[in-house]
Amino acid sequence: DTAVSQTPKYLVTQMGNDKSIKCEQNLGHDTMYWYKQDSKKFLKIMFSYNNKELIINETVPNRFSPKSPDKAHLNLHINSLELGDSAVYFCASSQVSTGGIGYTFGSGTRLTVV
Amino acid sequence: DAKTTQPTSMDCAEGRAANLPCNHSTISGNEYVYWYRQIHSQGPQYIIHGLKNNETNEMASLIITEDRKSSTLILPHATLRDTAVYYCIVKGSGDDKIIFGKGTRLHILP
Repeated sequence: DTAVSQTPKYLVTQMGNDKSIKCEQNLGHDTMYWYKQDSKKFLKIMFSYNNKELIINETVPNRFSPKSPDKAHLNLHINSLELGDSAVYFCASSQVSTGGIGYTFGSGTRLTVV
Repeated sequence: DAKTTQPTSMDCAEGRAANLPCNHSTISGNEYVYWYRQIHSQGPQYIIHGLKNNETNEMASLIITEDRKSSTLILPHATLRDTAVYYCIVKGSGDDKIIFGKGTRLHILP
């Protein structure tokens, strides 16, 4: 069973489009995250949700809007896609209430904006 | 910003022990040392963490110096599948996020 699953794995779209990436975790963790890995391979946190409540928003453009319908899901919606949004997006989860020892990451969504 | 310093890259022969160093001279008393790795085209994977004592699990060993200003991740018998970028991360138990640095690109040579 996949602990943190993301869909789609690959996404190619044109500039200006709106797209969503979905993430689900079956670990019972209370916190979920979105990270972005750009072409230089730097991993940067974008958002974090704890029990459906936004707790981290790292100066991400308003075109990015996370949504957490329940603590097992954290989706990322991106409006008016730009070339610079091309990257690999990773979802992760952890159990913060017990110290958040290890994050479990999904396998990533490679977004290409053309 | 990342609070750790790691070499950009390292090579290790297959079957030998891979020793990956990390400096974290500004570490605070309540901060843990974590190691993650990212194999090509995959998400980061948790390896091990420690506070003061040396730690060992099925994947690796973590040696932390007495002053806690540096540590070494040891892969005892490296295989080709251990080729990856290894990230050393300092994180307090109350911190709400992991900050990744540039990591060390480890090449296991056949």
